[in-house]
Order: sequence, then C-alpha cells, then structure tokens
Amino acid sequence: EIVLTQSPGTLSLSPAERATLSCRASQSVNSRSLAWYQQKPGQAPRVLIYGASSRATGIPDRFSGSGSGTDFTLTISRLEPEDFAVYYCQQYDSSPLTFGGGTKVEIK
Amino acid sequence: EVQLVESGGGLVQPGRSLRLSCAASGFTFDDYAMHWVRQVPGKGLEWVSSISRNSGSIGYADSVKGRFTISRDIAKNSLYLQMNSLRAEDTALYYCTRSTMQWLLLIEHWGQGTLVTVSS
Repeated sequence: EIVLTQSPGTLSLSPAERATLSCRASQSVNSRSLAWYQQKPGQAPRVLIYGASSRATGIPDRFSGSGSGTDFTLTISRLEPEDFAVYYCQQYDSSPLTFGGGTKVEIK
Repeated sequence: EVQLVESGGGLVQPGRSLRLSCAASGFTFDDYAMHWVRQVPGKGLEWVSSISRNSGSIGYADSVKGRFTISRDIAKNSLYLQMNSLRAEDTALYYCTRSTMQWLLLIEHWGQGTLVTVSS
C-alpha cells in the first residue's frame, strides 16, 4: 500500500498570499497518478487536480499541481476567501487507493 | 448531472448490522467502478471498499475485511454496503463515490454522505 504524507498539517495564511502544500509518497507513484481534492466544512470533497498537474473541469488557474515520483506539490497562487479549506492528495496508481492525511489552509 | 444519493445510515449498537444504499443517476451506471469512502467527523478520508463495473473485482480495507460486503445492482442503478459486526470505530460519514472511466481508482464524483454512528 502506498502511504501518502502531507505537510504541513495546517497552513495559516492571509488572502492573496501563495500557498504551497506538499504530498510525499512512500513509494513512487507511476504515471503521475496523483490527485488533489478540496473539502470545505459540511461538504464532500471535490477534485481539483489529477495526473499530478491537470486541472479538473471548472477549477480556476490559480490552482496548480506539480511533481512526480514520490514528491508532489499543490500551489494556490493567490488565496481567495473561498480557498480556505482542507486539501487531500490521493494516489490512484495502485490498489488500494489511498489518501494523505490532509492540510488545512486557514485564515491568518 | 451526476448524482449519488446515499441512505441507510443511523445509530446502531455495536455488533449489529446496517446496509447502506447509494442511488446513482445522470450516467451509465455499469460503465464505472464505484467506491465507498468514509470520514470520521473532523478527521481524514479513508477508503473502505471498491467494486468494478461488472462486480468481477472487489476490494476491502483491512479494517473492514470479513465484516463488510460491497455490491451493485445494475438494474436499479444502485450501490450497496452491507456492514456486519459493527464496531465503535466504524462510526463515520460514509460517501458513495464514482471513478472516472479511464482511471478506475481516481474518484471524480462524491455523494453527500450518510452518517453511521455505532454506540450502545
């Protein structure tokens, strides 16, 4: 099983700042089969990024993903008020699918 | 529009059973793999179980193996999770989710979840 470790656990930033979230895998994730999800309180997660760097339909271009192998990054270029939420990475390279523990982006 | 609507959650005593259902609409149900994912309130996401398009391939998390059974009914466009021998640690919000067509383990759509509380 591929274990995903996200850091930091909490990121305290102000609107308009840049957010950089990390996801590290216990073994190489082939074909960049890594996704990022955003979850707001009381809502189900929604996919932001798949294939490590492809934005899902309707996702603003301030969200970008990068990385390969075991190290992946989600960057939010300029935080909007609606971006304060919890973010999860997920690998879909091999079964079982696994999630990282999440990074909470909170308002400073 | 893809819709996944879970039902069947509730309060149940330890050791008892519960059956969750997920009504799917807005897509061709038997074209996609489906998964159950759970989340303890305030905590992270945990994969529970997966079923392939034709039910030929099924998987379970170690934490539920031998106690939970996933199934699907193509005629009813429904996904199920039969949960037996429930434990307090099974308390969570259970999400019905759908994969993409190309990547079977990539979750594209989520329901709103049904809450299962295991307590005496």
